[in-house]
Amino acid sequence: DAGVIQSPRHEVTEMGQEVTLRCKPISGHDYLFWYRQTMMRGLELLIYFNNNVPIDDSGMPEDRFSAKMPNASFSTLKIQPSEPRDSAVYFCASSLEGAQTGELFFGEGSRLTVL
Amino acid sequence: SQQGEEDPQALSIQEGENATMNCSYKTSINNLQWYRQNSGRGLVHLILIRSNEREKHSGRLRVTLDTSKKSSSLLITASRAADTASYFCATDKAAGNKLTFGGGTRVLVKP
Repeated sequence: DAGVIQSPRHEVTEMGQEVTLRCKPISGHDYLFWYRQTMMRGLELLIYFNNNVPIDDSGMPEDRFSAKMPNASFSTLKIQPSEPRDSAVYFCASSLEGAQTGELFFGEGSRLTVL
Repeated sequence: SQQGEEDPQALSIQEGENATMNCSYKTSINNLQWYRQNSGRGLVHLILIRSNEREKHSGRLRVTLDTSKKSSSLLITASRAADTASYFCATDKAAGNKLTFGGGTRVLVKP
């Protein structure tokens, strides 16, 4: 298996622009997680899905952030409009059993810079 | 504050030495996991220890869990330069599938 695939790996955009980050989880994994990593705040869970359904989005910072999972093999995290404070590395992770019993497999991340 | 907090924040050792880092958490957990992150890369799972386990080994890794003290330790024996990375503990709360990460320990292994 190719692992969790994220795109783009790097994105530089200007404040106010829309940003879309993409994730393809490992086939057969029922759980998908979006995390954000910054020096100041560390790794923060933004949202997670189970069987394509959003279960907990309490970590989504503002209405500017939205996430979807239209099918089992694809998820997007959208920021509209983007702001400089959104600059971070965004990770997608998938899991077969969920965090209670199993490990998370992370993608390589999407490094976002908002100017 | 975060559910898991690692100590120390940074560690520098010589190749061949052992590296020990600790993690403390606040609420009841189902399991505790340790992950490694190389610079510019994603996190890689190292080991999972369940709340009813006290010690677990995987190769050169040894993890302990003390639920009465709400703490865990990760020991890397006979360290190698390739072990240079950040190490994170992560905990799930007793309910839900949210895995919360600590701030990490940056380990530098000098050849």
